[in-house]
Amino acid sequence: QVQLQESGPGLVKPSQTLSLTCTVSGGSISSGGYYWSWIRQHPGKGLEWIGYIYYSGSTYYNPSLKSRVTISVDTSKNQFSLKLSSVTAADTAVYYCARENTGYVDYWGQGTLVTVSS
Amino acid sequence: EIVLTQSPATLSLSPGERATLSCRASQSVSSYLAWYQQKPGQAPRLLIYDASNRATGIPARFSGSGSGTDFTLTISSLEPEDFAVYYCQQRSNWPPGGFTFGPGTKVDIK
Repeated sequence: QVQLQESGPGLVKPSQTLSLTCTVSGGSISSGGYYWSWIRQHPGKGLEWIGYIYYSGSTYYNPSLKSRVTISVDTSKNQFSLKLSSVTAADTAVYYCARENTGYVDYWGQGTLVTVSS
Repeated sequence: EIVLTQSPATLSLSPGERATLSCRASQSVSSYLAWYQQKPGQAPRLLIYDASNRATGIPARFSGSGSGTDFTLTISSLEPEDFAVYYCQQRSNWPPGGFTFGPGTKVDIK
């Protein structure tokens, strides 16, 4: 059973960089076949896909966030990470890490709330 | 970008009733559409993929249909645990493209 767990600061100041890590257990990122994603959900709102990474390091980002997003992978630790720069209050959301299987998300982390506030 | 719209925004029904949720795409996504269920405080759960295939462990009362731009999620007889928000998601340009979600339909107890 694959499990994903997000970790990182719950509070980030405006203009700073949001950094989150997702630790995967029960499966190896480097085995291939899946993409590893970040998805966020603004409070009381719908879901927004941020981007994904393959174990090889190939990435694809949501065009609306592309200029501020970096997703990286550390296969030795079975982790992947999100960096979102120049954050504002509009980036306050629950951030989920997830596994994509043929373009659909079959495993999700529990989500972590990140608040942008001074 | 492909935009998904869902209707209705809220569906008020009683347990045992049939629920019919709609998702419409701004352009054809072929059959590359999924449905997710989300309960308060939880991550979404994949119900249906490729428009009509039930994900592992999903009860048979959930069914999906449609292709192109119009899709439907049907819950044949609502159980108490089915009251939740339902999202559709398309992946027609994946990979290397990303995917988008609809705004959701809330199914609440009448």
